[in-house]
Amino acid sequence: GAGVSQSPSNKVTEKGKDVELRCDPISGHTALYWYRQSLGQGLEFLIYFQGNSAPDKSGLPSDRFSAERTGGSVSTLTIQRTQQEDSAVYLCASSSGLGNTIYFGEGSWLTVV
Amino acid sequence: GQSLEQPSEVTAVEGAIVQINCTYQTSGFYGLSWYQQHDGGAPTFLSYNALDGLEETGRFSSFLSRSDSYGYLLLQELQMKDSASYFCAVRGGGDYKLSFGAGTTVTVRA
Repeated sequence: GAGVSQSPSNKVTEKGKDVELRCDPISGHTALYWYRQSLGQGLEFLIYFQGNSAPDKSGLPSDRFSAERTGGSVSTLTIQRTQQEDSAVYLCASSSGLGNTIYFGEGSWLTVV
Repeated sequence: GQSLEQPSEVTAVEGAIVQINCTYQTSGFYGLSWYQQHDGGAPTFLSYNALDGLEETGRFSSFLSRSDSYGYLLLQELQMKDSASYFCAVRGGGDYKLSFGAGTTVTVRA
């Protein structure tokens, strides 16, 4: 696609439910990132996929969070048993391998009530 | 891992010049980038420095000193539309990961 596409753009879920957030990167981009941004805060690194290498999961805050990337393209971030502190914008970004620029999607705004 | 420090906020008037400093620590360094984010929007790329010196792109310039682990973003001829958050980001580590600072909120007053 022309840009990084994320869905859903907004999600309200009840505490304790599982959610899945999807990211469709720019075609041909081998690197894919997930970041989390709470209101007025910085970009918190979650996970990084680079080609066929094992993903860097060092930023995942707990074992309730997981992500996968199928076929080197689309990625899904799953949050199990959501908590109120999970409320944030989840941003996906992609780049062309070792490219200097990463391109962000518009984010998935998650609210846990 | 990587860590970055930048000021939390800066306020200036239209037409002024603002410099946002960024110091970083990283195991392995490939480059320093700057991103702009308006309220409610996604971050967008502004500039990238891999080598020491100044890179100029219109009203914005970015500087890097690798020996000092330091860089800055210079915003000239400030306009109201420049009110946004600015993030420095470093590529480093064994896996070339991009890590961001906490961001600097720039407010431009008339």
